[in-house]
Amino acid sequence: AQSVTQPDIHITVSEGASLELRCNYSYGATPYLFWYVQSPGQGLQLLLKYFSGDTLVQGIKGFEAEFKRSQSSFNLRKPSVHWSDAAEYFCAVGATYGNKLVFGAGTILRVKS
Amino acid sequence: EAGVVQSPRYKIIEKKQPVAFWCNPISGHNTLYWYRQNLGQGPELLIRYENEEAVDDSQLPKDRFSAERLKGVDSTLKIQPAELGDSAVYLCASSPRRTEAFFGQGTRLTVV
Repeated sequence: AQSVTQPDIHITVSEGASLELRCNYSYGATPYLFWYVQSPGQGLQLLLKYFSGDTLVQGIKGFEAEFKRSQSSFNLRKPSVHWSDAAEYFCAVGATYGNKLVFGAGTILRVKS
Repeated sequence: EAGVVQSPRYKIIEKKQPVAFWCNPISGHNTLYWYRQNLGQGPELLIRYENEEAVDDSQLPKDRFSAERLKGVDSTLKIQPAELGDSAVYLCASSPRRTEAFFGQGTRLTVV
């Protein structure tokens, strides 16, 4: 069965600083990987996804993530954080297309000015 | 294109009362999911539909939860009777075949 670990419950960064959110997954085959963002009182919005091919994927809002099979990781990065990026971020793994997604517990991002 | 629509957005009920949530997926999306998100946690799948067929309901507490997706479009999730531990956000999501899931804004249920 799949599982996802997001080691950081909270992260605080200064506006304009770079960001990296960690995600480690467990799955026996090639996973399908996702990052979602959730603002307070809102549903989840897809930031980016990895299915196959280039291991560095670009998403919306200037985010990118890199799939590293050897480390079972799919870390999310952004070179310069904006105050509007403050939200909760969830990493998720899926076994196959259309199958259920297994989510991590989330990382709350705080941005200080 | 309209997104996934859920109603109500908020619901407060007393324990032992019934409650129902409604979801209208994105047009043309065959797969529909119901997830539950407890405070401080990631969403967990309750049930997944492919068209009108429930293909994964292993995590649905069947003694009190039920769901239906008539005609393979809208879906309703019901809890009867509700317990205090059912307080959570209930998220509906949909996806076309073989791709990512799109989520609604969720229904926040508070059981008092």
